Amino acid sequence: DVKVTQSSRYLVKRTGEKVFLECVQDMDHENMFWYRQDPGLGLRLIYFSYDVKMKEKGDIPEGYSVSREKKERFSLILESASTNQTSMYLCASSEAGGQPQHFGDGTRLSIL
Amino acid sequence: RKEVEQDPGPFNVPEGATVAFNCTYSNSASQSFFWYRQDCRKEPKLLMSVYSSGNEDGRFTAQLNRASQYISLLIRDSKLSDSATYLCVVNRGANAGKSTFGDGTTLTVKP
Repeated sequence: DVKVTQSSRYLVKRTGEKVFLECVQDMDHENMFWYRQDPGLGLRLIYFSYDVKMKEKGDIPEGYSVSREKKERFSLILESASTNQTSMYLCASSEAGGQPQHFGDGTRLSIL
Repeated sequence: RKEVEQDPGPFNVPEGATVAFNCTYSNSASQSFFWYRQDCRKEPKLLMSVYSSGNEDGRFTAQLNRASQYISLLIRDSKLSDSATYLCVVNRGANAGKSTFGDGTTLTVKP
């Protein structure tokens, strides 16, 4: 089975802090994704990556950056956390070529 | 208009009922299609892929209609454990790694 591991299930940070969310997958997948999910808004794509050191903006990249130095790891960075970034963050990975995505357990991030 | 649209429900059905969800997509170049299930406060999990010829997995049947640009999910003999939100997912483009998720349809199966 595919295993996507997110570093924290719950995280509380303060406004203005730099926040790192880590995601690791163990299936040698080419594609990795970061989403946020808010009530009534569904899943929204923040950034994705098709390969090491490669990244593309999703639908809501503002206030976020990403890093993919190794194939198995995709990090999401909140440069200066704000209260409107309080959300559930979900990492996913997939093989290339239109294969389905597999999700981590999610990180519930609260910015106070 | 959203790229992927689902009836949000909620669908409230008794145990044993048959229930069907539809999902429409706007991009005719879409390549692959999936149904996911998401339980409350959990991550989405792949339920099944959707193939042009239709496919079945136990009590679940998925259909794709490319001409009308919709996919469907049929659940027969509903169980209490089927209560969840069902997400329609469409992959677009040549690389097709990037997916568009519907907002989900909520199903509650009652005793």
